[in-house]
Amino acid sequence: ILNVEQSPQSLHVQEGDSTNFTCSFPSSNFYALHWYRWETAKSPEALFVMTLNGDEKKKGRISATLNTKEGYSYLYIKGSQPEDSATYLCAFTPAGGFKTIFGAGTRLFVKA
Amino acid sequence: DAGVIQSPRHEVTEMGQEVTLRCKPISGHDYLFWYRQTMMRGLELLIYFNNNVPIDDSGMPEDRFSAKMPNASFSTLKIQPSEPRDSAVYFCASSPFSRDSANYGYTFGSGTRLTVV
Repeated sequence: ILNVEQSPQSLHVQEGDSTNFTCSFPSSNFYALHWYRWETAKSPEALFVMTLNGDEKKKGRISATLNTKEGYSYLYIKGSQPEDSATYLCAFTPAGGFKTIFGAGTRLFVKA
Repeated sequence: DAGVIQSPRHEVTEMGQEVTLRCKPISGHDYLFWYRQTMMRGLELLIYFNNNVPIDDSGMPEDRFSAKMPNASFSTLKIQPSEPRDSAVYFCASSPFSRDSANYGYTFGSGTRLTVV
């Protein structure tokens, strides 16, 4: 059974704090690792898709790293803003198909 | 492009009735996915299609669920008969997913919130 674990489950930070979350996934049979941002009452929006060990992606204040050998990815948010409040999902796609498995998400609350 | 379009946005039905959810993927995306979101299980993959062909339906909970993709621009997820435990948000997503376009990820529709009473 493929398992994607995210931690922490939720996180409360103050505006301006930098923060990071972890996604753990199976280290074998890797194809891709995705990060999505999901605001309440909306649908998930893709942030990054990474396919190579050592990949680092950046979009504004948000960045992500990937370690496929040990099966983890980190998402970093620098200088959190209230509008960053959302659930951040990671998803693992194994090789040999596209049966992408989503983690339960990290719920971020940024207080002004 | 208008994105992935799902209809209806909300559906309330009585137990035992047939429910049909609809999805129009983004033109040119050759993968289409149906996910179900519940509090207990998060986002679960039900079925996915590649070039209109169902590839993996192992996530479909039982025979009451069926999905079709008659052409590249339309897919349906049908529940017959519906039960209260089917109440959830059903998302459709599409992707041009290939190693050359891996940066695109999935584009999700706005979801259909199904309530079976």
